[in-house]
Amino acid sequence: AQTVTQSQPEMSVQEAETVTLSCTYDTSENNYYLFWYKQPPSRQMILVIRQEAYKQQNATENRFSVNFQKAAKSFSLKISDSQLGDTAMYFCAFMKLYNNDMRFGAGTRLTVKP
Amino acid sequence: GAGVSQSPRYKVAKRGQDVALRCDPISGHVSLFWYQQALGQGPEFLTYFQNEAQLDKSGLPSDRFFAERPEGSVSTLKIQRTQQEDSAVYLCASSLGGRLEETQYFGPGTRLLVL
Repeated sequence: AQTVTQSQPEMSVQEAETVTLSCTYDTSENNYYLFWYKQPPSRQMILVIRQEAYKQQNATENRFSVNFQKAAKSFSLKISDSQLGDTAMYFCAFMKLYNNDMRFGAGTRLTVKP
Repeated sequence: GAGVSQSPRYKVAKRGQDVALRCDPISGHVSLFWYQQALGQGPEFLTYFQNEAQLDKSGLPSDRFFAERPEGSVSTLKIQRTQQEDSAVYLCASSLGGRLEETQYFGPGTRLLVL
């Protein structure tokens, strides 16, 4: 079974600084998808960034980028120039190819301080 | 529609009552997912529909849980004889096509409290 581990229950960062959220996963699959989702206090979860395991290049979306280390089964999220609106729960998620069962980690609560 | 909507947003039920939770996906979205999110945890997959067909219900925790999407749009998650352990936020998500890796758009969730 696939498991996703987020070892940082809570983190904080000063506005405009950079923060990295950690995620590791366990799988025997070679091809799969990884996601970071953001869940603000209003609880509507939104996709931040995604990575296909067969792509070596790390995904980037504006201020958000990932460090995907396939051999280490690590998928960290870096947020640059943190903004107050980045305050939220962040969930790392894993999905096998051709499978609808997306597995989430327990989440990291990020607080951006002014 | 503008996004995925769910109703009610909050539901309090007495143990043993039946509840029905509604999900309105984004118009035209083929795929629909239900998740259960316990307090302080990440969402856990419950079931998946492609149009009106329930292709996977392996995550439903017991036979008290039942989901349907009869016309391939609105979906209802029904929980019979609710128990305290059913207290959670129930999230619905939809995606445009039938490719499972497509971006899922989540609703705000229904927070269920069973007393």
